[in-house]
Amino acid sequence: EPEVTQTPSHQVTQMGQEVILRCVPISNHLYFYWYRQILGQKVEFLVSFYNNEISEKSEIFDDQFSVERPDGSNFTLKIRSTKLEDSAMYFCASSGLQGGEQYFGPGTRLTVT
Amino acid sequence: AQSVTQLGSHVSVSEGALVLLRCNYSSSVPPYLFWYVQYPNQGLQLLLKYTSAATLVKGINGFEAEFKKSETSFHLTKPSAHMSDAAEYFCAVSGGYSSASKIIFGSGTRLSIRP
Repeated sequence: EPEVTQTPSHQVTQMGQEVILRCVPISNHLYFYWYRQILGQKVEFLVSFYNNEISEKSEIFDDQFSVERPDGSNFTLKIRSTKLEDSAMYFCASSGLQGGEQYFGPGTRLTVT
Repeated sequence: AQSVTQLGSHVSVSEGALVLLRCNYSSSVPPYLFWYVQYPNQGLQLLLKYTSAATLVKGINGFEAEFKKSETSFHLTKPSAHMSDAAEYFCAVSGGYSSASKIIFGSGTRLSIRP
């Protein structure tokens, strides 16, 4: 069964460093999403991406964040200068249809020290 | 705007007992509703979804949920709890095909099963 994959599973970085979280969505999907979950809290929407541009972003997704689909398979989330409060689990999701079921990856746990 | 409210951050039931996890939603458009389960240190797994077809939705692992528009509710039930059901459960809503379809999650309910 096709699945969304994410790498790395755990990333530790120092405050102020740049990180790139990688996702490989399901191959025929067209809609891509990033969510995050701070430890012990609910899952929050960050950004949606379709047709090589951002469809919607939350207030969390400020200028420190960017997304890119550098090739036909990867979808990345970049945090330019990490803060302690960026420590969270980051989930990638993809969907084949607008409004269709979103399939979530296993997540990348980001720890900022 | 859309939101979900999960009543009870922690629910504990005995093995074999009925599981009832409550969720109320708010949506300005006909909603799509979801229940996701998250086992410790794992990702999100879709249990079931409502997309404007049958109001009683059956999912995996014996779970089901009923969409009640008059009550704006989408409670999750399972007739008989199993130890393996212990996990965090998230109710979620999206605007379906009428929107960019970001999913809005509730705060989650941690389900514990007593032997």
